Amino acid sequence: NAGVTQTPKFQVLKTGQSMTLQCAQDMNHEYMSWYRQDPGMGLRLIHYSVGAGITDQGEVPNGYNVSRSTTEDFPLRLLSAAPSQTSVYFCASSSPGQGNTEAFFGQGTRLTVV
Amino acid sequence: DAKTTQPTSMDCAEGRAANLPCNHSTISGNEYVYWYRQIHSQGPQYIIHGLKNNETNEMASLIITEDRKSSTLILPHATLRDTAVYYCIATMEYGNKLVFGAGTILRVKS
Repeated sequence: NAGVTQTPKFQVLKTGQSMTLQCAQDMNHEYMSWYRQDPGMGLRLIHYSVGAGITDQGEVPNGYNVSRSTTEDFPLRLLSAAPSQTSVYFCASSSPGQGNTEAFFGQGTRLTVV
Repeated sequence: DAKTTQPTSMDCAEGRAANLPCNHSTISGNEYVYWYRQIHSQGPQYIIHGLKNNETNEMASLIITEDRKSSTLILPHATLRDTAVYYCIATMEYGNKLVFGAGTILRVKS
C-alpha cells in the first residue's frame, strides 16, 4: 500500500515554463487536496476535490489549474511558472466515507523557479 | 474554521511528557480539534482528533476543556524523534480543506 505518491520530488523551472505535479493515491479516497508551504510557514490550500470530476479553489489558487478525471489522480498544473511559486507542494487525500477523517499526505515536491 | 492559537516553540526533555496547548475560543459545536505534526519538512502526519471527550491513541492523548475553548496534546514519553512542528486545527472538514497555522515547534532534548 503506497499511500499518496507525489512526483517529481524535486524540480527546477525557468520563469514562464509550464509543468505538471503529479499526485496519485491508492486508497480509493474521495477527497484530494493540494497545498503549498513556503519557508517557515504553515501549509496553504491551493485546490481541492471531493470526487472525480469535481474541483474547487482553495486559499491561493492563482497560477494553478487542476482536474480530477479519476479517483486515483489529482495533477496540479503550473501554466507559466513564476519565482513566487517557488515552494514545497504537498498533496493529500482523505475519505470520510470510509470512516477515516484523517488526511494522508505525500512527501512533497520541492519546486524552484528561477 | 475556528482560529487556533499555539505557542511558537517549546522544549521538552527526552522521556518526559510533552504538553502542547492550543486555544480555539471561537470553536463551534460541530468543529473537531485535529492535531498533525510535520517532521523535518516531510508531509504532515495525523496524530489524533476529538470533539468533546478526551481521546487517546498509540501516539498521544488529547485533552479538551469542558467549554471546548482550548485543548492540550500530550506526548506521554517524548523522544528525539518527536521533534517536529505540531499543528492544531479546528474544523468541520473531514481531512479536506485543512487550514494550517504556524504551529508549535517542539524540540525534544536529551
